[in-house]
Amino acid sequence: GQQVMQIPQYQHVQEGEDFTTYCNSSTTLSNIQWYKQRPGGHPVFLIQLVKSGEVKKQKRLTFQFGEAKKNSSLHITATQTTDVGTYFCAGQAGGAQKLVFGQGTRLTINP
Amino acid sequence: NAGVTQTPKFQVLKTGQSMTLQCAQDMNHEYMSWYRQDPGMGLRLIHYSVGAGITDQGEVPNGYNVSRSTTEDFPLRLLSAAPSQTSVYFCASSISGDSYEQYFGPGTRLTVT
Repeated sequence: GQQVMQIPQYQHVQEGEDFTTYCNSSTTLSNIQWYKQRPGGHPVFLIQLVKSGEVKKQKRLTFQFGEAKKNSSLHITATQTTDVGTYFCAGQAGGAQKLVFGQGTRLTINP
Repeated sequence: NAGVTQTPKFQVLKTGQSMTLQCAQDMNHEYMSWYRQDPGMGLRLIHYSVGAGITDQGEVPNGYNVSRSTTEDFPLRLLSAAPSQTSVYFCASSISGDSYEQYFGPGTRLTVT
């Protein structure tokens, strides 16, 4: 079945450094979504990418969807302590009524 | 709008006991789903529903039952709890299962001893 792999599993940075997490699917996706989960909280939707090669920005966050629609990345510029949490990608294959989540990247920040 | 609510927040069960995790949403969403979250495993789909009266299995359905008699409610039943079902359970809903963001509930932390 469809698999979504996410790396790295953990990332620790100094405040102000950049951060990137990568997501790879075993199958072509119709869309990919990104979620953030704060420690002790629940996943919260960040963004959805649909088009091949799509790039979207939300302030310091940049999301990319690969040309082949099998990979994606989330880049945070100049991290802040409020960015702490686990970031998940979730992919949906065409026609499938379900999301498959990656394992998540847990981001910790040294202030 | 309360969004997605889940009860209980915490539960301890003994092996072999049964229980129902409750999930409700007040957004008139057609699509609802249940995930379990284990360390290093991300969120794994247990069961989902595309509308009242319709349910289907996800990646890890064994040991769990669901039903969807109303649009608002989507309970998850553990038939005979096992230690391997110790996890955090999240319910989520969305407008439909096709390319819409999912709204998650606060979760239920379940321990099976």
